Amino acid sequence: SQQGEEDPQALSIQEGENATMNCSYKTSINNLQWYRQNSGRGLVHLILIRSNEREKHSGRLRVTLDTSKKSSSLLITASRAADTASYFCATDAGGQFYFGTGTSLTVIP
Amino acid sequence: DGGITQSPKYLFRKEGQNVTLSCEQNLNHDAMYWYRQDPGQGLRLIYYSQIVNDFQKGDIAEGYSVSREKKESFPLTVTSAQKNPTAFYLCATGPTGADTQYFGPGTRLTVL
Repeated sequence: SQQGEEDPQALSIQEGENATMNCSYKTSINNLQWYRQNSGRGLVHLILIRSNEREKHSGRLRVTLDTSKKSSSLLITASRAADTASYFCATDAGGQFYFGTGTSLTVIP
Repeated sequence: DGGITQSPKYLFRKEGQNVTLSCEQNLNHDAMYWYRQDPGQGLRLIYYSQIVNDFQKGDIAEGYSVSREKKESFPLTVTSAQKNPTAFYLCATGPTGADTQYFGPGTRLTVL
């Protein structure tokens, strides 16, 4: 399976702190995406980084990509209680998307 | 969840029964996908279709079947051959070759 893995599996922080989660994958990719899933809901696309990019920002989100290590990280700055959700990375490999196992983030008010 | 809908939200099935999950989109996207999510797990691809009347198996297609007779619709049938069907099923869509997928709200299937 080309499924990636997120680390940590679960993360609990205080509101206002930064949250960092990591994703590792197995094969060459065209791009890597991060998605958010609130409990019992569908996934929502957050940000995409292409294989030739090293860093990308969107609002409070910062994504890095290291293709030599086959890894990516998602940083959420100044976290809010509403950021509580599961976060998944997904890699695009020729028309199919492979999702990681997810990081469950809890932001404590 | 936008222009992609899944129904029903909750579905209960007795062992040995086939059941069909609906997925409809009005985003005019060519590609549609079905994923299965088990508790605390990531998504696993069941089937995907990049054009009408054509579809491909994903990593866990056994015990499932699909059809793509219309661009807007990609129903998934969970057959009695699927030994452990209790899970959360997510449908997604996107333009062919696009980088992003748009997900429906999901259907939670429980086998009694």
